[in-house]
Amino acid sequence: QQQVKQSPQSLIVQKGGISIINCAYENTAFDYFPWYQQFPGKGPALLIAIRPDVSEKKEGRFTISFNKSAKQFSLHIMDSQPGDSATYFCAASGARNTDKLIFGTGTRLQVFP
Amino acid sequence: ETGVTQSPTHLIKTRGQQVTLRCSSQSGHNTVSWYQQALGQGPQFIFQYYREEENGRGNFPPRFSGLQFPNYSSELNVNALELDDSALYLCASSLSNGNEQFFGPGTRLTVL
Repeated sequence: QQQVKQSPQSLIVQKGGISIINCAYENTAFDYFPWYQQFPGKGPALLIAIRPDVSEKKEGRFTISFNKSAKQFSLHIMDSQPGDSATYFCAASGARNTDKLIFGTGTRLQVFP
Repeated sequence: ETGVTQSPTHLIKTRGQQVTLRCSSQSGHNTVSWYQQALGQGPQFIFQYYREEENGRGNFPPRFSGLQFPNYSSELNVNALELDDSALYLCASSLSNGNEQFFGPGTRLTVL
């Protein structure tokens, strides 16, 4: 019940295309859903986050879509660029600010010119 | 504004030894969480410190311990190192009234 399942494991997209990464969760107590971007040898960087009271949040080329009834959320990267090539992690945590982040297994995105 | 910093960057130890990793939280952040990230995996929560006390712990044995200091910086100590402890250790800081956690660059620990 604490798991966050992420797919696909890897993704290859052409420059200018749309990258879509999906996550699913079981624990209905989760209340905060961030996405992190991680480059090799670096720590994860917070990209964008959403709470269950909205179905979509957009920041620049990055959009989170959230389906509360299906317990699923996804990251869409529009106009993907080679610089977006990284590993992306979805995560979830409870309503309390002290709750731990539960991470998905990661998606390695490669964007080719 | 200074981000989260960690030291050292890399560390090589042998099995059975002890190690201390350090973290300075982002300016103004009073809560520090530690995560272990094995190669090719997502980060796994070790524990969190708030007001110099442990405030939640993941599924890690007692040989993983920590401290938080009055300036909110933190240490992660691992005793009796095992080969499986080889990983990237990440520190994340946050505000006590917010969910956003900001990660440092990590310490790469190799246990031989």
